[in-house]
Amino acid sequence: GAVVSQHPSWVICKSGTSVKIECRSLDFQATTMFWYRQFPKQSLMLMATSNEGSKATYEQGVEKDKFLINHASLTLSTLTVTSAHPEDSSFYICSAREGGGTGNIQYFGAGTRLSVL
Amino acid sequence: GENVEQHPSTLSVQEGDSAVIKCTYSDSASNYFPWYKQELGKRPQLIIDIRSNVGEKKDQRIAVTLNKTAKHFSLHITETQPEDSAVYFCAASNSGGSNYKLTFGKGTLLTVNP
Repeated sequence: GAVVSQHPSWVICKSGTSVKIECRSLDFQATTMFWYRQFPKQSLMLMATSNEGSKATYEQGVEKDKFLINHASLTLSTLTVTSAHPEDSSFYICSAREGGGTGNIQYFGAGTRLSVL
Repeated sequence: GENVEQHPSTLSVQEGDSAVIKCTYSDSASNYFPWYKQELGKRPQLIIDIRSNVGEKKDQRIAVTLNKTAKHFSLHITETQPEDSAVYFCAASNSGGSNYKLTFGKGTLLTVNP
């Protein structure tokens, strides 16, 4: 299957700093990428949908000014957690959708564990 | 929006037994239903999917059934092995367009005891 690379896999930062997470589709072009947040032993919560060349669509309750998403190319989307605080500590996972139109398969990155001190 | 309910939340079986996980969805427009397996600390991996024009799909020990009328779909794992132990998520989505997104169930922790 298609490969999605996510970096870093683990990051520790001080409260108030910003952290950038990258998501790359390595062997396919992803018109749409998705960012999820996952708490321990819980499901995947969609944060936003990122379309190449346009503004991201955020889910209700997700602060767009806090979680900045950029999808500048068909193979790269970034999530920046601005002014991070301990409550932002979580597992963040991206996914990329292979194919447009009726192509629905999403491939996931390995996730980024963010710890804010 | 779409709402996906998944049951049970935990499931423990003996090696060799079958396991069944059930999901229901609310949006009749949904037409794509994937199942993901997530091992602890790892990425979710697609194990099987089904589209609304099909009632059943099988891949070796794994099968998925879909009842569009009742809006529910199920994952069946036969001859379970310890390596099948993981969290399984069902999901539902529409087929495309700018509003495409997957809505996940809450997950089922499957434990296969040797």
